[in-house]
Amino acid sequence: AQSVTQLDSHVSVSEGTPVLLRCNYSSSYSPSLFWYVQHPNKGLQLLLKYTSAATLVKGINGFEAEFKKSETSFHLTKPSAHMSDAAEYFCVVSGGSARQLTFGSGTQLTVLP
Amino acid sequence: SAVISQKPSRDICQRGTSLTIQCQVDSQVTMMFWYRQQPGQSLTLIATANQGSEATYESGFVIDKFPISRPNLTFSTLTVSNMSPEDSSIYLCSVYTTGTGNTEAFFGQGTRLTVV
Repeated sequence: AQSVTQLDSHVSVSEGTPVLLRCNYSSSYSPSLFWYVQHPNKGLQLLLKYTSAATLVKGINGFEAEFKKSETSFHLTKPSAHMSDAAEYFCVVSGGSARQLTFGSGTQLTVLP
Repeated sequence: SAVISQKPSRDICQRGTSLTIQCQVDSQVTMMFWYRQQPGQSLTLIATANQGSEATYESGFVIDKFPISRPNLTFSTLTVSNMSPEDSSIYLCSVYTTGTGNTEAFFGQGTRLTVV
């Protein structure tokens, strides 16, 4: 069994300040972890993924995430927010032979001018 | 990678009618997945569609309400039957690609369904 908890449903930051979106997971397997972004009226886009290689993963648009097994966390960060980062972000875990994806509940990121 | 074409992109339907959503992938894949995203919520897996066999439905979803076809390795359809306003959601088709043990999911643009 596997599950994902996104600790904040809404995060609001000022443009140019750091972004932190928190994600904790549980899995009976060695999981793969992903962050997806969904802009309004757009499809889902993969930001980055962890698949048992380097624990610090760099993605697109300046985002990165660190896999911490001891804390079962995979938080998403960005040093400096941009207005275009405003979107819904989903933390996703995949594991087991079925490779089934389990989505977190999502975090709505608002970037203030 | 995989490119997924999903249509229609949106529709407004009368309650009691049915809508069939189509999903076309640019490569052959074993499994295709259908998700529902209700307003303001996350994605929930409806079913897994394998070519040549019946789809596998998740808890809370039944074949009579969401019949799925998978005639070949690049195409699938999901029908939302006897619709009610509660079926208003975004429906997404997804496929996985695997390589060297990695998994990556690709999604269609989604079908935004409004039932009136």
